[in-house]
Amino acid sequence: AQSVTQLGSHVSVSEGALVLLRCNYSSSVPPYLFWYVQYPNQGLQLLLKYTSAATLVKGINGFEAEFKKSETSFHLTKPSAHMSDAAEYFCAYSNSGYALNFGKGTSLLVTP
Amino acid sequence: DGGITQSPKYLFRKEGQNVTLSCEQNLNHDAMYWYRQDPGQGLRLIYYSQIVNDFQKGDIAEGYSVSREKKESFPLTVTSAQKNPTAFYLCASSIDLGKWTTNTEAFFGQGTRLTVV
Repeated sequence: AQSVTQLGSHVSVSEGALVLLRCNYSSSVPPYLFWYVQYPNQGLQLLLKYTSAATLVKGINGFEAEFKKSETSFHLTKPSAHMSDAAEYFCAYSNSGYALNFGKGTSLLVTP
Repeated sequence: DGGITQSPKYLFRKEGQNVTLSCEQNLNHDAMYWYRQDPGQGLRLIYYSQIVNDFQKGDIAEGYSVSREKKESFPLTVTSAQKNPTAFYLCASSIDLGKWTTNTEAFFGQGTRLTVV
């Protein structure tokens, strides 16, 4: 079965440091890939998505992700963390005609 | 304002009761979804619907039921058969099932937190 794996349930970075959240997918056929962010007791907001148009995808709030087929990865990065980036981040995948399937999430903590 | 509205935000259920969570969208989306979120588990798909009067079971449909009588509405009933219903429930919609292009995405409601008392 296809899936995504998020490495690290908790990640802590200092304010101003690089943010790197890891996501690997298992599929012989590249699916559609997404990153969502969730603030406490809120719904999910789309950060960015890969739909095969470009391997480097830029999203909102300064985030970006690079699709690497050779590594089956879609890691999320941001050059400089801000306190407001503290949230839960979910990697998700889908194929045409199917619902989104989510990873287990990574909680990002940003320290002053 | 276009979007998805879930109500209530908080819901308390006694053992053995059925409760219904509301989800309404005014985005003119065909596809709607229900997810359950538990700490450390991510989001798990309960049910989804591609069109009015049609819906499909997701990965954890046991103990839940849905209806799709109107395009705008996709209520979820948590039945007494659901043994561990305490969770955060999220409703979402998209233009079409799995139709992900540069300009399409799934929109999520703000969630309903259900607690069994």
